[in-house]
Amino acid sequence: QKEVEQDPGPLSVPEGAIVSLNCTYSNSAFQYFMWYRQYSRKGPELLMYTYSSGNKEDGRFTAQVDKSSKYISLFIRDSQPSDSATYLCAMIPFLYGGSQGNLIFGKGTKLSVKP
Amino acid sequence: GAVVSQHPSRVICKSGTSVKIECRSLDFQATTMFWYRQFPKQSLMLMATSNEGSKATYEQGVEKDKFLINHASLTLSTLTVTSAHPEDSSFYICSAWGSSYNSPLHFGNGTRLTVT
Repeated sequence: QKEVEQDPGPLSVPEGAIVSLNCTYSNSAFQYFMWYRQYSRKGPELLMYTYSSGNKEDGRFTAQVDKSSKYISLFIRDSQPSDSATYLCAMIPFLYGGSQGNLIFGKGTKLSVKP
Repeated sequence: GAVVSQHPSRVICKSGTSVKIECRSLDFQATTMFWYRQFPKQSLMLMATSNEGSKATYEQGVEKDKFLINHASLTLSTLTVTSAHPEDSSFYICSAWGSSYNSPLHFGNGTRLTVT
């Protein structure tokens, strides 16, 4: 079993729909969870960043972490064509301020929002 | 705004030549930077961890003599692809942790390398 599983899609939704993106993981030591958005031929852009379980909201985006189920989600409300991108989940047990460690990434879900 | 700057964004070179890619942390010091490679429709693959003032740590299967990493200052890491071949054509991305202890990882905008 891979450490992080993410459905690669593609996922196609109409404009205005609520999008749900998910990742599951196997390592119970993960505590920091991030969602990145990557447009074609660009580097990943940090969208949301959460620590431990719970919800975090930022505008149209909501990140959820359920550590008991080892399951994280990113919800996008009122989706727009400009949200069309690949969304990568990432997680790590600890943040060391750069002294060590690196993120474990999901493979990314390609999202397409149709006008 | 961007906290990690990467240059160039795109480069085309002939087979056998070397290419240098720069990664800079903006407004903060990064003792550690990471270099990734991404092939089309694939996820990010960590190549190496760049440590300021010391040798880089390479992931298994990555040739350290081919992918030279230099982290000479706290704001700059460089990746040099030596004697490039067409199979080295890929999207190379660097990243760095933010300035505070629990800051997440930020990425540069990537460099599209095409070897002809």
